[in-house]
Amino acid sequence: QKEVEQNSGPLSVPEGAIASLNCTYSDRGSQSFFWYRQYSGKSPELIMSIYSNGDKEDGRFTAQLNKASQYVSLLIRDSQPSDSATYLCAVVQAGTALIFGKGTTLSVSS
Amino acid sequence: DADVTQTPRNRITKTGKRIMLECSQTKGHDRMYWYRQDPGLGLRLIYYSFDVKDINKGEISDGYSVSRQAQAKFSLSLESAIPNQTALYFCATSHPGTPQQETQYFGPGTRLLVL
Repeated sequence: QKEVEQNSGPLSVPEGAIASLNCTYSDRGSQSFFWYRQYSGKSPELIMSIYSNGDKEDGRFTAQLNKASQYVSLLIRDSQPSDSATYLCAVVQAGTALIFGKGTTLSVSS
Repeated sequence: DADVTQTPRNRITKTGKRIMLECSQTKGHDRMYWYRQDPGLGLRLIYYSFDVKDINKGEISDGYSVSRQAQAKFSLSLESAIPNQTALYFCATSHPGTPQQETQYFGPGTRLLVL
């Protein structure tokens, strides 16, 4: 069973701090990696995608990928209470569909 | 109008009943997916379809069936519903091509309760 692993949390950070979310995956053939944000009772929404080793920045969000270590992370700078949500790591396995981790719950306190 | 719609949004049914969840999309995507979400278990893939004539089982297909009636429509059926199928169900779509085009877009979800 090919897997995507995340710490379930909750991860609690104060407003303005950096939140660091981590994800590991088991399939070395994976090529595409995504971070989705999901508010309670709502559908997941894409916030970042990354395909190459290294960092990718978009506003307050930075995704980091290390294929050798089979590790992908998401950093949220200047965390806001509105960032409080569950963050889902997802990986495309070759020829199939997205496989999701169980998600990490982030709580940002004001 | 929403690009990916699901009907019904909420459904209560009884054990043993047959139920169909429907998904429609106006994004023009070839690929469609059905997921279920349970608390603490994340999103798990039930079935997926890469085009109208292609149907594939996902991680947890037992007890479910699907029909791809057209490019824009993908239905999920529970032939004989059981209480542990109580969950939040999501439909998603994507467009084939480069990895950058594999982003999935989700519908609003259907909350199903099986008594």
